[in-house]
Amino acid sequence: DAGVTQSPTHLIKTRGQQVTLRCSPISGHKSVSWYQQVLGQGPQFIFQYYEKEERGRGNFPDRFSARQFPNYSSELNVNALLLGDSALYLCASSYLMANYGYTFGSGTRLTVV
Amino acid sequence: DAKTTQPPSMDCAEGRAANLPCNHSTISGNEYVYWYRQIHSQGPQYIIHGLKNNETNEMASLIITEDRKSSTLILPHATLRDTAVYYCIVSTHFGNEKLTFGTGTRLTIIP
Repeated sequence: DAGVTQSPTHLIKTRGQQVTLRCSPISGHKSVSWYQQVLGQGPQFIFQYYEKEERGRGNFPDRFSARQFPNYSSELNVNALLLGDSALYLCASSYLMANYGYTFGSGTRLTVV
Repeated sequence: DAKTTQPPSMDCAEGRAANLPCNHSTISGNEYVYWYRQIHSQGPQYIIHGLKNNETNEMASLIITEDRKSSTLILPHATLRDTAVYYCIVSTHFGNEKLTFGTGTRLTIIP
């Protein structure tokens, strides 16, 4: 089975631009979460979606938005990029009530210049 | 804020058991202890979790104290590929809770 897949793997954007990151969860997983990991720190929770509805939001500005599609894939959008948005963006999927935690993708490395 | 406290770094000789401690003194009765690890430039990888009993799987063992205020992750025969940052997280078990990562323990396996 394919794991959690994220695209693109690397991305360079200019300040003020907008970016869309994509995530495909493991087949059968209906929950998708997004995390931001700045260099040297642990991942920070951004959003969680389940059955296309937002179930949780972390302490991030409104420039960050996300959505989940009927096939349970998800997109994370960031508008008006700042230098501080440079980070590894991780997607994780889970099967609700699962007994084995979350499965993370390898992430998208976003660099804002 | 993270609900757990871990040492920032540890070393372990290859082939020896690596014992990684974690304090979670404010853990609630319905919260599990989860361990993840993150190898450089990859996403975190689930290792093991437990509620109050000791647990073992093919990767590691988890020892939780009787009062549940601390736990230890044991890698029985550490290899160089176990070099990673290890995160101890407390979370409810429903699969829809956010994970609150701390800074973890950077484990270095020494040849």
